[in-house]
Amino acid sequence: DAKTTQPNSMESNEEEPVHLPCNHSTISGTDYIHWYRQLPSQGPEYVIHGLTSNVNNRMASLAIAEDRKSSTLILHRATLRDAAVYYCILGRTGGGADGLTFGKGTHLIIQP
Amino acid sequence: DGGITQSPKYLFRKEGQNVTLSCEQNLNHDAMYWYRQDPGQGLRLIYYSQIVNDFQKGDIAEGYSVSREKKESFPLTVTSAQKNPTAFYLCASSWILGQETQYFGPGTRLLVL
Repeated sequence: DAKTTQPNSMESNEEEPVHLPCNHSTISGTDYIHWYRQLPSQGPEYVIHGLTSNVNNRMASLAIAEDRKSSTLILHRATLRDAAVYYCILGRTGGGADGLTFGKGTHLIIQP
Repeated sequence: DGGITQSPKYLFRKEGQNVTLSCEQNLNHDAMYWYRQDPGQGLRLIYYSQIVNDFQKGDIAEGYSVSREKKESFPLTVTSAQKNPTAFYLCASSWILGQETQYFGPGTRLLVL
C-alpha cells in the first residue's frame, strides 16, 4: 500500500514562509499527491494536488522531488488562520480505495 | 451553492441503539465516502461507494452499515454492534473514486450516553 510519512508537528511565525515535508518512497508512477488541511472540529479542506511538476494555486505551492519520493507544501506567508493539521495522501490514477487513508498529518502551529 | 451537508451536527446514542447519520451532496459526484476520526488521530475509512447501489467496506466497517439508493445521498448507520462509537464522523465525495479531490462535509460528532 502506498503510504506517506509526515512530521507530527511544526511551528512557524506569522508572515513567514512554511515548508511542510512529506515522504512517499513507495509512490507509484501514476499516483497523484494530494494535500488537505483540517481546522479543529471541521472537515478537511482540499489545498493542492500534483503529479510530477510543481504546482501553484492561491492557497499554496507544491514542490515535488524529481524522483517523486517526497514533496513539500509551501505556504508563502503564514497567517494565524493557517494553523491546522495538514495531511499528505496519495491517490491512484485508476481510482480505487488505495491511498484513501489520512494519517495523523502535521499539526502546524503559527506564532503571532 | 454546491457542497456536502451532514446532519445532525451532534448526535447522542443510547446503549443498544442504532443511529443514522445523514450525508447529502449536490455536486453530482459519483463517489462518496465515510470516515471516522478519533481525538488526535487521522481519518479512517469506514465505507465508500463508487456508484449508486454499490458500496464497499473500508478499513473499519464492522459495526456500521450504509446504503446508496440515490446519487446524492449516502447515509451511515452506526449499529449496536459498534462498541465504541464515540467519534467525529466525516462524509466526503469526489468525481472519481480515490483519485480526484475529495470534498468534505462539516462532520457529525457522535456521543454515547
